[in-house]
Amino acid sequence: EVQLVESGGGLVKPGGSLRLSCAASGFTFSSYSMNWVRQAPGKGLEWVSSISSSIGYIYYADSVKGRFTISRDNAKNSLYLQMNSLRAEDTAVYYCAKDGHTGGFYYFDYWGQGTPVTVSS
Amino acid sequence: EIVLTQSPATLSLSPGERATLSCRASQSVNIYLAWYQQKPGQAPRLLISEASDRATGIPARFSGSGSGTDFTLTISSLEPEDFAIYYCQQRINWPLTFGQGTRLEIK
Repeated sequence: EVQLVESGGGLVKPGGSLRLSCAASGFTFSSYSMNWVRQAPGKGLEWVSSISSSIGYIYYADSVKGRFTISRDNAKNSLYLQMNSLRAEDTAVYYCAKDGHTGGFYYFDYWGQGTPVTVSS
Repeated sequence: EIVLTQSPATLSLSPGERATLSCRASQSVNIYLAWYQQKPGQAPRLLISEASDRATGIPARFSGSGSGTDFTLTISSLEPEDFAIYYCQQRINWPLTFGQGTRLEIK
């Protein structure tokens, strides 16, 4: 059974940093691209970042480019999102999402339960 | 950036009725479009990929159609568990984008 468990969310002051983690199990983690998607309170879904299986390709939304860094450790079956210079508008539930196919980027076929991030003074 | 516009924003129907949800892209996405369902307090669930392919375990009452810029998600006969928010998403270009969602509510 595929499981994605996010952690690391919490309350942080504007300008602060957080590192989110996503522990994956139930599939061959190293074979799939992985993604972060966020959802602000009462709002829709916003794609944040994607990383290919071999870390050769990384993409970011313009809203986080230069502030967030996605990474993965295939040996630990883990995905990460380092978030720096956080702003109030980064407040959201952050979901880790698995890609649906091996090789390249597809759609998000499994999602974690999400970890909430609140940026407030 | 490709903008996806979903309509209507809210759809009020009764169980047993047919639901038709629309997603329009600001430029062609070919067939590279997915639909997700999200219930309150839950993560989204993939329903349809490549415009018309049902994901694993998705009931046959859900179907997708369209190509280019106009897409439709149809639920043939609504079950109580289908009342939720539905999002479309394109994967042809970066950044990946979602529509703003259609809320399907019980009439």
